[in-house]
Amino acid sequence: LAKTTQPISMDSYEGQEVNITCSHNNIATNDYITWYQQFPSQGPRFIIQGYKTKVTNEVASLFIPADRKSSTLSLPRVSLSDTAVYYCLVGDMRAAGNKLTFGGGTRVLVKP
Amino acid sequence: DAGITQSPRHKVTETGTPVTLRCHQTENHRYMYWYRQDPGHGLRLIHYSYGVKDTDKGEVSDGYSVSRSKTEDFLLTLESATSSQTSVYFCAISEEGRGETQYFGPGTRLLVL
Repeated sequence: LAKTTQPISMDSYEGQEVNITCSHNNIATNDYITWYQQFPSQGPRFIIQGYKTKVTNEVASLFIPADRKSSTLSLPRVSLSDTAVYYCLVGDMRAAGNKLTFGGGTRVLVKP
Repeated sequence: DAGITQSPRHKVTETGTPVTLRCHQTENHRYMYWYRQDPGHGLRLIHYSYGVKDTDKGEVSDGYSVSRSKTEDFLLTLESATSSQTSVYFCAISEEGRGETQYFGPGTRLLVL
């Protein structure tokens, strides 16, 4: 699986937009980009997945430039409950086994 | 939330004793996974299963074994627990193992003294 690099931590305030960028310079043609969210004492939870351009759902947006060597998770108007660790994963999700490789993640702290 | 339970949720044991963790699902998903989470390492895959009696190793399988005799249950066994196996263990499930979401259980905190 392609290695990913993301910031260790980010601070924000309620109501602001949070953008977390993940670098994946060695992404392969068949690789997808997936983001998970993890609250303390809970298992990770799927947020969003994309292959190219932009994907949006009710929780977040995912921006992927044409070269796909990075991606940005955007959380609009965060609240205190968005404080969590966010993981960027890259891999050929179509390969049998769907084995995920988690890095250290980005710890997002939302302040009042 | 996906129907995944893990038992026990917390366990303290001594070095050298056997430990079995259980993951139970009610979703009838084919794939099940065991991960461990340690500070600074994110989550690492231990073993996974792609069907009853079908299992394969993950990234950190040494010292662990698994069994899946029924679709709904996936057991993780530490034959002789060591302090390095102190961790939080998460079970996850997915429907077909190809690109779709993995759903995680609540985790089991294991302390090996």
